[in-house]
Amino acid sequence: DIQMTQSPSTLSASVGDRVTITCRASQNIFNWLAWYQQKPGKAPRLLIYKASSLESGVPSRFSGSGSGTEFTLTISSLQPDDFATYYCHQYNSYSQIFGQGTKVEIK
Amino acid sequence: EVQLVQSAAEVKKPGDSLKMSCKGSGYSFSTYWIAWVRQMPGKGLEWMGIIYPGDSDTRYSPSFQGQLTITVDKSKSTTYLQWNSLKVSDSAMYFCAKARTSGSGWEPLDHWGQGTLITVSS
Repeated sequence: DIQMTQSPSTLSASVGDRVTITCRASQNIFNWLAWYQQKPGKAPRLLIYKASSLESGVPSRFSGSGSGTEFTLTISSLQPDDFATYYCHQYNSYSQIFGQGTKVEIK
Repeated sequence: EVQLVQSAAEVKKPGDSLKMSCKGSGYSFSTYWIAWVRQMPGKGLEWMGIIYPGDSDTRYSPSFQGQLTITVDKSKSTTYLQWNSLKVSDSAMYFCAKARTSGSGWEPLDHWGQGTLITVSS
């Protein structure tokens, strides 16, 4: 089975900072990767799919890159609404998995 | 408007059975795979399995295979997650979520239910 390793687990940052989160797959998943944002007590929200495609309605400060086994989510200028937990999700098969999550906290 | 509406929170005892639901509306229910995702208290997301309402094709994560059952009633636009005998460790929030593109289960999840909280305690 494919394993996903997401890092860091926690990230402290300030409003306006550039933030990068990484997900590594244990084998090639091409570009079958999505990123989600989750706030406490809420369902996750899809941000990025196919590694780099921005979901409709998502602010352009969010971007995704990578292919194969290494992927990144970048927030170009962190806004107050962006403090949340972020998850990657590989969907390269019918045995899918989420990364462990990255909590973005206020510095 | 696409909506997935899940059944209400439940409190159960170990050994109880449970069937929770997720009703879809605002889209062609039969043609989009629906996934179930677990989130234990304070923990991350776990992909449990996925079902295609059109023909009830169902796939499970190895971690959940044999522990629960995913079913669908397309006449009611509803998918279900059920247990025959709950354990304390089944206490969690459970989400259903819809695949982004019709016909494929290899998809991100673009619409989510509000979640159903299950508490299992003696």
